[in-house]
Parts: sequence; C-alpha cells; structure tokens
Amino acid sequence: GIQVEQSPPDLILQEGANSTLRCNFSDSVNNLQWFHQNPWGQLINLFYIPSGTKQNGRLSATTVATERYSLLYISSSQTTDSGVYFCAVERRYGGATNKLIFGTGTLLAVQP
Amino acid sequence: DVKVTQSSRYLVKRTGEKVFLECVQDMDHENMFWYRQDPGLGLRLIYFSYDVKMKEKGDIPEGYSVSREKKERFSLILESASTNQTSMYLCASSQGGNQPQHFGDGTRLSIL
Repeated sequence: GIQVEQSPPDLILQEGANSTLRCNFSDSVNNLQWFHQNPWGQLINLFYIPSGTKQNGRLSATTVATERYSLLYISSSQTTDSGVYFCAVERRYGGATNKLIFGTGTLLAVQP
Repeated sequence: DVKVTQSSRYLVKRTGEKVFLECVQDMDHENMFWYRQDPGLGLRLIYFSYDVKMKEKGDIPEGYSVSREKKERFSLILESASTNQTSMYLCASSQGGNQPQHFGDGTRLSIL
C-alpha cells in the first residue's frame, strides 16, 4: 500500500520562528489533508490540498502531486501551534469512499 | 461548520464488558469512519460506512463491530473489551468524492 512519510519527526521552535514540515508519499493520490492535533487530542483540519497552494493566516501549504510531496509552512509560530501535525492521503482504487492513510506525524513544541 | 460529536471524551470500562462508542454528524455526510490512535502506530482505520446499513472493514477490524442505522449516527462496538483495546478512538465523516474528512474530539477509552 501507499506509504506516507513525514519529516522532521520532532521540532522545537522559539516563539516567532518559521518552520516547514514535509510530507512524502509513495504513489499518486486523489486527496491530501493536513491536520493539527492539539495537546487535548483534538484533530483539527488545516488544509485539504491535493494539489497547488493554499494559505490560511500564518499557515500555508503546497502540494506538488507530480513529485509526490506536500509542505506545510508555519510562520511567526505561537505556543498554541504546539502539537502534532499529520499529513494524510487518499488513494482510491475504483471506489468512491475516501479512506485516509496517515503519516506518523511531526511533533512541534513552540517555546515562549 | 461541520460538527462531529462523540458521546464521551473519557471512558473507563472493565475487561469483558460490551462497550458502545457513539458518533453523530450534523452535515448529512455519506461517509463515516472509526479510527484508533496509539503511540508509535499513528491513526489506523477500524471500520467505515458509506451509507446507512452499509459497512466495510478497515485495516484493524478484529474485536470490533459497527452499526449505522441512521445516516447521522455511526456506532463502534467492542463486543468483549480487552486491555489491548485501550486507546484513543476518533470518529470522522465526509461527503465523499473529493471532500475532506472532519473529525470528532476523540474518546480516550481505558479498559481495566
């Protein structure tokens, strides 16, 4: 099956710093989502981005589907950005249901 | 906004009990999913449903069953709970096709 790898596995930032998280996937995909899991375990949708670039405030994401990777940019990081960031992809084999395959995540800690 | 509601944030049960985890979504979504999340193993799909009374096994269905009698509600059932089912359980829903999945807040289940 399709493999999803995220890097780096862990990241420590000072408040105000910028960072880039990467997601590589081993096959072509139909969909890709980025999630943030906060310290309370809630999984928050950040981006739905099978291709192209999107921005939402201090966060932006770019997916280059032909090269099988996606990047999540966090600018001017805040302590509330701490948590685990997951990339998840979907590859459909003829069916319509979107089953997501998750990467192992990047654990981000933003220090004041 | 999409709202996916899981009935409990924390639940403690005993070995051998029958356990029900409930999930309700308010967006008339076709698809609903149950995942479990464990340290070092990431999120893994247990079961999903693409229509009322329809279900399909995910990657780790053993020891679980599901019920979808109404479109908005998807229940995960642990027929006879065991300690290795202690985990974080996350429910999600999506409209299907090229649409993102939206997650509930999760249920931390402990089996003693």
